[in-house]
Amino acid sequence: DSGVTQTPKHLITATGQRVTLRCSPRSGDLSVYWYQQSLDQGLQFLIQYYNGEERAKGNILERFSAQQFPDLHSELNLSSLELGDSALYFCASTLGGGSPTDTQYFGPGTRLTVL
Amino acid sequence: GQQVMQIPQYQHVQEGEDFTTYCNSSTTLSNIQWYKQRPGGHPVFLIQLVKSGEVKKQKRLTFQFGEAKKNSSLHITATQTTDVGTYFCAGKSGGSYIPTFGRGTSLIVHP
Repeated sequence: DSGVTQTPKHLITATGQRVTLRCSPRSGDLSVYWYQQSLDQGLQFLIQYYNGEERAKGNILERFSAQQFPDLHSELNLSSLELGDSALYFCASTLGGGSPTDTQYFGPGTRLTVL
Repeated sequence: GQQVMQIPQYQHVQEGEDFTTYCNSSTTLSNIQWYKQRPGGHPVFLIQLVKSGEVKKQKRLTFQFGEAKKNSSLHITATQTTDVGTYFCAGKSGGSYIPTFGRGTSLIVHP
C-alpha cells in the first residue's frame, strides 16, 4: 500500500459525458501528478500540482482539467468523453515539488471505460 | 523534447533464465528511476540511480547507469514467476520536475 488513494476504482460511462476522478496523496506529500496509461501509449504525464498550484503541464487535452484543494487532495475532470479516453488513470504523489530525486508513489488507479 | 526509449517491449523467459531491459535517453539525465508494475497493479518504485556509472543491486536485480548518463539497464538473474510484470524506467533531465517514462518492458516468466 503506497498510501495514495484513488476513487473510484472503476468507472463506466458513455461518450459525451463528464466524470471526476479523485486522488488523496500520501500524508505529508505536497505534490500530485496525474498520468494516463493506455495499452499503446504507456504512462503519459498529464499535469502536476504542488501545494495547490499548477506546477507542470504535459499532454493534457483541453477537455481535461484538474485542481488541488487546500487539503491537498486532487480531482481530475474529464469532459466530452470519447472512446479513446478509455484508460487507466493514475495519480502519484511526492513530498516535494519535483526535485530530481523525488520518488513518486502511485495510487491504485481508476479504470475508465467509455462506451 | 526528451525521449526515453525502452527495449524490448516484451520478453518471454523460462523460469531460471536471466532477463535484461534497456533504457536509452535522447538527452543527458540527472537521474533515472526504475518502477515495477504487476499485472492489474500500479507502478511501484524500485530504485534510483544518480551517479555516472553507478551500479546498484537488490538481491537478484542489478541496475546500471551509463557513464554518459544517457542509458540504463535492469538485469534480473535467475528469474522467478514473482518477477512477472512491466518494468519502467523514468528519467529526469535538466531542471524538469517531471520524469519521462519509457514505454516499459513486460516480462513473462514461464514455469
